[in-house]
Amino acid sequence: AQRVTQPEKLLSVFKGAPVELKCNYSYSGSPELFWYVQYSRQRLQLLLRHISRESIKGFTADLNKGETSFHLKKPFAQEEDSAMYYCALSGGSYIPTFGRGTSLIVHP
Amino acid sequence: SAVISQKPSRDICQRGTSLTIQCQVDSQVTMMFWYRQQPGQSLTLIATANQGSEATYESGFVIDKFPISRPNLTFSTLTVSNMSPEDSSIYLCSVGPNTEAFFGQGTRLTVV
Repeated sequence: AQRVTQPEKLLSVFKGAPVELKCNYSYSGSPELFWYVQYSRQRLQLLLRHISRESIKGFTADLNKGETSFHLKKPFAQEEDSAMYYCALSGGSYIPTFGRGTSLIVHP
Repeated sequence: SAVISQKPSRDICQRGTSLTIQCQVDSQVTMMFWYRQQPGQSLTLIATANQGSEATYESGFVIDKFPISRPNLTFSTLTVSNMSPEDSSIYLCSVGPNTEAFFGQGTRLTVV
């Protein structure tokens, strides 16, 4: 069975502060991991995936197989980063499993 | 990528009634999914809508409560039947199979 754990329901930071949204997973095979974001009044959309190894909107995420983690990081948070973030895992079935989400609030 | 239109975007319904949610995709897709998104909880997969056959339901969800239609490769409906306040949630349509999921904008349902 595959499982995704996001331990924080809410993360509150000030503008310019570093941000780390935690994600741990459980999967017996080689997972594909994603971060999805939902801004206020917008649909859920892909932010980044681990196989791309890219930075999107200043966010990066590194897959750590030893710790089974895929934490999302940004060195300097911006107010427009305030949103709901979901970590997701796709195994062989291509049906993603989502974590419960972390609400990020960036204060001015 | 796929563009997904979902309607209605929101509705307020009386308990005991039913609501049908539509999902239209701009291209043919093999798999369509229906999720429920509750505040503070993860996206929960309700079922996979299969074209030409009965939907595949996840544990805890049954066809009598959430009947699904999939008449072709671009359209699906989810009906929430005999609604109660506990059904108040956001319902999302998603498509695959791709490792990246695409979502509709969601239907916010409030049952009173």
